[in-house]
Amino acid sequence: GQNIDQPTEMTATEGAIVQINCTYQTSGFNGLFWYQQHAGEAPTFLSYNVLDGLEEKGRFSSFLSRSKGYSYLLLKELQMKDSASYLCAPVSSGSARQLTFGSGTQLTVLP
Amino acid sequence: GAGVSQSPSNKVTEKGKDVELRCDPISGHTALYWYRQSLGQGLEFLIYFQGNSAPDKSGLPSDRFSAERTGGSVSTLTIQRTQQEDSAVYLCASSVASGAQLEQYFGPGTRLTVT
Repeated sequence: GQNIDQPTEMTATEGAIVQINCTYQTSGFNGLFWYQQHAGEAPTFLSYNVLDGLEEKGRFSSFLSRSKGYSYLLLKELQMKDSASYLCAPVSSGSARQLTFGSGTQLTVLP
Repeated sequence: GAGVSQSPSNKVTEKGKDVELRCDPISGHTALYWYRQSLGQGLEFLIYFQGNSAPDKSGLPSDRFSAERTGGSVSTLTIQRTQQEDSAVYLCASSVASGAQLEQYFGPGTRLTVT
């Protein structure tokens, strides 16, 4: 099975930087996704990491440490529209087609 | 281009009734997934289709749940004898093929309320 842990809620100020952590335990590992989900909407893809290190994509970056079972999503220059739930989803190697999603971190960006 | 579509967007049904939820994946996507999301919870995997292979039904919570995919495209999730605990948003996603590195594109979901 899989065990995924991420904070339930976070609050930050517009223009700031926030880091959302995710720790996981999987039976094998075949990459990790981050998705963004606005209230009442479907999740949308943010990033995919399969190798250790930091991947930057505009204001969003994602980091992975496979040996530590740890990932984080870094959001810079926060905007009000970044208020959403951020879902960490590792993929076990035994079922590479199947993502298991964490409960998500609800980020609130304040003016 | 067109994304994943689902219908209906909202469904209210009485306990004990059967419901059918529909998913139209992105054209050309061979992999199709169904998830369930209860209020304030993460996504729960239900079932996965890949091409003509037998579906992975390992996530279906009970034998009241079933799904089919016709012609490798449209999929229908059926819930028989609905219970109040079935109330949730049912999300469908598709991807080009199976494989961890291929992102899944989600539909808008069907919000099911069982009264």
